[in-house]
Amino acid sequence: ETGVTQTPRHLVMGMTNKKSLKCEQHLGHNAMYWYKQSAKKPLELMFVYSLEERVENNSVPSRFSPECPNSSHLFLHLHTLQPEDSALYLCASSRETGLNTEAFFGQGTRLTVV
Amino acid sequence: GQQLNQSPQSMFIQEGEDVSMNCTSSSIFNTWLWYKQDPGEGPVLLIALYKAGELTSNGRLTAQFGITRKDSFLNISASIPSDVGIYFCSGRAGGGNKLTFGTGTQLKVEL
Repeated sequence: ETGVTQTPRHLVMGMTNKKSLKCEQHLGHNAMYWYKQSAKKPLELMFVYSLEERVENNSVPSRFSPECPNSSHLFLHLHTLQPEDSALYLCASSRETGLNTEAFFGQGTRLTVV
Repeated sequence: GQQLNQSPQSMFIQEGEDVSMNCTSSSIFNTWLWYKQDPGEGPVLLIALYKAGELTSNGRLTAQFGITRKDSFLNISASIPSDVGIYFCSGRAGGGNKLTFGTGTQLKVEL
């Protein structure tokens, strides 16, 4: 139990589908993150939300649309994805303030685009 | 942007052996975090380091924050089969929330 829960664990979608990934944290954190993990590559930071405001968007294509309705929930809305978007999508959370902030990860959603 | 070089990329060791892996950066980091990831799971935090020279242990794991602030290492003593997985270093430069991750060291343990 990491305190960060992601659903679904696995998702297969067609290129014309619209789906959403959900993340929920029970750690009282104020910052939440989406990372993409592809084979043989470092984790790529996609989005950062701090106090429910987006503070970082690392040149992610618009077919990925994040939403943070409150400090405990984070969504990643997907539409018209490409096969190369298949990857493990990881959500993480951390305390907002100070240098001594550690990120805690969810179990990830394994996404396959067909 | 910051880059982290992690080595070795993979290790195949005998049960009971000690393991050492390290991470170097092209710039100064203020925080080093070591994670382990099992197949199909998210990374789990093992050790966090916040001061240059800091040496911290967590059971059989020991990690150090390099004096130059550009490197860190992780040691695992007396490895066991459940140590199998991918170990990631990550670091934070400055006061922001952004963590940079290494490419990982895949550890395989032979019985």
